[in-house]
Amino acid sequence: QKEVEQNSGPLSVPEGAIASLNCTYSDRGSQSFFWYRQYSGKSPELIMSIYSNGDKEDGRFTAQLNKASQYVSLLIRDSQPSDSATYLCAVNDNTGNQFYFGTGTSLTVIP
Amino acid sequence: ETGVTQTPRHLVMGMTNKKSLKCEQHLGHNAMYWYKQSAKKPLELMFVYNFKEQTENNSVPSRFSPECPNSSHLFLHLHTLQPEDSALYLCASSHVGGSYEQYFGPGTRLTVT
Repeated sequence: QKEVEQNSGPLSVPEGAIASLNCTYSDRGSQSFFWYRQYSGKSPELIMSIYSNGDKEDGRFTAQLNKASQYVSLLIRDSQPSDSATYLCAVNDNTGNQFYFGTGTSLTVIP
Repeated sequence: ETGVTQTPRHLVMGMTNKKSLKCEQHLGHNAMYWYKQSAKKPLELMFVYNFKEQTENNSVPSRFSPECPNSSHLFLHLHTLQPEDSALYLCASSHVGGSYEQYFGPGTRLTVT
């Protein structure tokens, strides 16, 4: 069984702080990595994708990938209360046929 | 309409009913997916259609029957469901051979009574 592991949280950070979310995966054949944000009662929303080792920045979000360690992370700088949500990590083997999701990390940003 | 749309948004059905969920994507993607999301569980991939052909069926009970008439439309036909099938059913689409990024519809909240 190919797995994606995330700390379920809840993770609480004060407004303006950096939130750090982590994810590990078991399939070394994974090629594409994604972070989704899911508000309560809503569907997942894609916020970042990363395909090669290193960092990828988009606004306040930075995704980090280390394929050797089978580890992907998401940093949220200057956290806002509107960032409070569940963050899902997903991986794909670039066949388009199988996507594996973690159970998600619940983030609360305290004003 | 933009993105991925799903209808209905909410559905209550008895165990003997037959109903269908509909999904439409307006993104020009070539793959579509059905997921089930239950509380405290990871998203479960149910069916994959890649270029309209079903490529994966992740051991889903036969009471769920998918249909993909073209690359923009996807249906999930439901019959004789069980109460444990109550969940959020999500449709997604992606561009296989491109970014593989999946975009989700708003989901159908299904309750089986």
